[in-house]
Amino acid sequence: QVVLQESGPGLVRPSQTLSLTCSVSGGSMNEAGVYWTWIRQQPGKGLEWLGFFSWIGITHYNPSLESRLTISQGTSKTHFSLHLSSVTAADTALYLCARDRGIAHLGSTIHYFDSWGQGILVTVSS
Amino acid sequence: DIQLTQSPSFIYASVGDRVSISCRASQAISLHLNWYQQKPGRVPKLLIYAASTLQSGVPSRFTGSRSGTDFTLTITSLQPEDFATYYCQQGHSAPRTFGPGTKVDIK
Repeated sequence: QVVLQESGPGLVRPSQTLSLTCSVSGGSMNEAGVYWTWIRQQPGKGLEWLGFFSWIGITHYNPSLESRLTISQGTSKTHFSLHLSSVTAADTALYLCARDRGIAHLGSTIHYFDSWGQGILVTVSS
Repeated sequence: DIQLTQSPSFIYASVGDRVSISCRASQAISLHLNWYQQKPGRVPKLLIYAASTLQSGVPSRFTGSRSGTDFTLTITSLQPEDFATYYCQQGHSAPRTFGPGTKVDIK
């Protein structure tokens, strides 16, 4: 059973860079077919997919955030990180890491989020 | 990018009611559609993947179906623990996208 845990500051000043880490235990980050993902939820709002990096190092970002966002694997390969630059109050949200897992199903590869961290609330305020 | 629209945004229902939530994809995604349940203060929980396959441990009162680019989540007999917000999500391609959510509340 893979367990994910977010960590990082709960308060970030406007215009600064928000940096978070997701620690992964109970599973390999090199598992084929897995995309290590960041998702956020602004207060009272729905779920917003931010981006992922894959087991072979491919990254993909939400187009609305792509110019400010970097997602990467840590050097220890037991965690991955999010860096969001030039933050504003609109970036205040619960940030969640998740595992996007691909499985063979009825002749296709089906992807879904099967494991989630508990989330970390980040407030952008001066 | 694939857009997902959900309807209705809110459902007011009673215990025992049959409830259906719709999700429409902006383009063909085959059966690459998943459903999640989220309760206040909790992370989303996978209910159904591949449009109609029940995740292990999820009660059988939850069912999913697909017709073209239209997907439906049905709760056959609403239980007290089912009052929550439900999201559809496509796993067909990146960027992944979620529907805006449907809140099921007590009538």
